[in-house]
Amino acid sequence: EDQVTQSPEALRLQEGESSSLNCSYTVSGLRGLFWYRQDPGKGPEFLFTLYSAGEEKEKERLKATLTKKESFLHITAPKPEDSATYLCAVLYNNNDMRFGAGTRLTVKP
Amino acid sequence: EPEVTQTPSHQVTQMGQEVILRCVPISNHLYFYWYRQILGQKVEFLVSFYNNEISEKSEIFDDQFSVERPDGSNFTLKIRSTKLEDSAMYFCAISTGGSYGYTFGSGTRLTVV
Repeated sequence: EDQVTQSPEALRLQEGESSSLNCSYTVSGLRGLFWYRQDPGKGPEFLFTLYSAGEEKEKERLKATLTKKESFLHITAPKPEDSATYLCAVLYNNNDMRFGAGTRLTVKP
Repeated sequence: EPEVTQTPSHQVTQMGQEVILRCVPISNHLYFYWYRQILGQKVEFLVSFYNNEISEKSEIFDDQFSVERPDGSNFTLKIRSTKLEDSAMYFCAISTGGSYGYTFGSGTRLTVV
């Protein structure tokens, strides 16, 4: 069965303490892997799309990378406003997107 | 201005009642989706809608649920005979197709009492 697994479930960092979030997937026919940010009570906000192994995307303090089995979201020198739940999602061949359970990131000042 | 507007933002309903959740995309998109998120759980796919018909649905999307695009702009999710376990955030999403990120609305919080 196709699965999307994120780790850790929760991560607490001090401001400026860099770290990485993991998304591993077992999906046949991957069309794209997506990272979203979700704030409490809000819908997911699109961050990145990755299509093939070796690809990298960057946006401010965030960098997403992709291998054949997993993706990492690297957060460099995070700030308190980076606190949110980060969701990984995989797009299937039938154009449906399935989400992981997310990593809840808290950045303390 | 958001690309996707959902109404209402919060709906409280009695168990057994029917609810209609609405989604209005600002611009024309090919693909429409409904997702739900039970409090503290993952975002779950319900249904995708393309060319005015359902293209894919999950095991969650049973006969209790239906979707429509009644007037070419609004996209609705109807839940008949609501149950307590239907309480969740319901998100509408749009895309232009292909491998692009979806744009999500802010959601409707449904509370069944």
